[in-house]
Amino acid sequence: GAVVSQHPSRVICKSGTSVKIECRSLDFQATTMFWYRQFPKQSLMLMATSNEGSKATYEQGVEKDKFLINHASLTLSTLTVTSAHPEDSSFYICSVLQGNTEAFFGQGTRLTVV
Amino acid sequence: GESVGLHLPTLSVQEGDNSIINCAYSNSASDYFIWYKQESGKGPQFIIDIRSNMDKRQGQRVTVLLNKTVKHLSLQIAATQPGDSAVYFCAENIRGTGNQFYFGTGTSLTVIP
Repeated sequence: GAVVSQHPSRVICKSGTSVKIECRSLDFQATTMFWYRQFPKQSLMLMATSNEGSKATYEQGVEKDKFLINHASLTLSTLTVTSAHPEDSSFYICSVLQGNTEAFFGQGTRLTVV
Repeated sequence: GESVGLHLPTLSVQEGDNSIINCAYSNSASDYFIWYKQESGKGPQFIIDIRSNMDKRQGQRVTVLLNKTVKHLSLQIAATQPGDSAVYFCAENIRGTGNQFYFGTGTSLTVIP
C-alpha cells in the first residue's frame, strides 16, 4: 500500500498562533487526500477532502477559514490550523486515496495548544 | 454518513480465541467498506475491505462478513494474539458522494495472554 508521511508527529503551540501540518505521499502521486481529526477515545471525523490543484471540500461544520488546506502538488497536502485555541488540541490524521478504493493513513500529528 | 463515538465499546478475549467485532451502518447507499486497526498514538492501518456485491471476504486470519439486509458488517479475527490489541474501526464509502470514508465508533480490543 501507499506510504504516507506526516510532519510533525507532535507539536505544541501557543494559543492564537498558527500551525502547519504536512502530509506527503512518498511512493505515488495522490490527487486526493483526506484530513481527519480524532479526539481521545473517539472515532475519526472527516474534516475535508483535499484535491490537487483545486479547493478543498469541507465537511459540514468544519470552518474552512480556520482549517486551511493546500494541495499544491501530487505528493503534498498541508493543513494549517489558524489562530489555534486549546479546543483545537487533537490528533490530526491524513490519508491518501489509492485508485478509487483503499485509503492509507499517515501516522498522525498530535497538536496541543497551550 | 459520518459517525462520532462518545466512548469506545470494549472487547476482551483470551489469547488464541476468535474475536468478532461488529459494525452497523445506516446508509443503504454505502457500497464499500474497510476495516482498520489503530494502535495507540498511530494512524489507522488497513486490514481488509469488502464491496457491497460481496457477503464475505477472507484475508490472513481475518474474515469480513457483510449483511446488507440489516446493514451490518463484522470482522472476525482467528486465533487472536496479543499484537491484535488495538482499536478497530469500520469505514464506509457512500456511493455518489465521492471517495471519502466515514468512520464508525470503533471497538477497543484487548487480548489477555
